[in-house]
Amino acid sequence: DADVTQTPRNRITKTGKRIMLECSQTKGHDRMYWYRQDPGLGLRLIYYSFDVKDINKGEISDGYSVSRQAQAKFSLSLESAIPNQTALYFCATSQRGGTYEQYFGPGTRLTVT
Amino acid sequence: AQKITQTQPGMFVQEKEAVTLDCTYDTSDQSYGLFWYKQPSSGEMIFLIYQGSYDEQNATEGRYSLNFQKARKSANLVISASQLGDSAMYFCAMRANSGTYKYIFGTGTRLKVLA
Repeated sequence: DADVTQTPRNRITKTGKRIMLECSQTKGHDRMYWYRQDPGLGLRLIYYSFDVKDINKGEISDGYSVSRQAQAKFSLSLESAIPNQTALYFCATSQRGGTYEQYFGPGTRLTVT
Repeated sequence: AQKITQTQPGMFVQEKEAVTLDCTYDTSDQSYGLFWYKQPSSGEMIFLIYQGSYDEQNATEGRYSLNFQKARKSANLVISASQLGDSAMYFCAMRANSGTYKYIFGTGTRLKVLA
C-alpha cells in the first residue's frame, strides 16, 4: 500500500462549490504539506503543518483552508472553487531530522468549470 | 528571499549518454538542503538525491550525482548513462534549515531521452 494517499484522484466541480481534498499517510511523519502544480510554474506551497496544532500559510493560501485532523491526516478545502484553482494538487510529508526529503502522494487532478 | 532557478525548460539526450540539468539557487541562509525530484508522465513525484549545504562531497545515488558548487550557488543534477525511462520532468528544490523550514521548487526541466 502507498505510504501517502490522496482522495479523490480526479475531481471535476463547478464554480462556487465547496470541495475537500484529503491526504493520509502511514509513514509516521510529523510534517505535512499541500502544494499545487501548474504548467510552467513548478510546485507552489499552499499550507504546511509541523504537527496537529501547528498550521502555517504557504505562498498561495488565499482561497484555501486546511485541517490537520490527526498526525496522519491533512485535508485541503476550497470553500468556493473558482476556475483558476484548476490544477494538480499534491500532499507531501517529511520527518524532522535527517535530510528532510519529502514524500509525495499521487496527486489530485482538480478541474473547476 | 529564497529562489530556485532552472533555466532549461526542455532538454534532449541520446540514450546511454550523460546529461546535466542546471539549477541555481539564492538564499541568505547558511544551512540548507538541496533536492532533486523526478516527475514521470504518470504524475508522481519521486525523490532522487539530496545535498546538504555543509556536505563537502557531492552527493551520488546510483546514476544520479549532484554537482554542488556552493560559491556559485549551483546544484546541477548529472544523470549518467541515460535510459529511456529517464524521460520525465525534473525539479530542483531547496529547504532552509532555519526560520520557516519551507521548501521551494524550481519550474522544472523536461528531459527527453532519444533512442
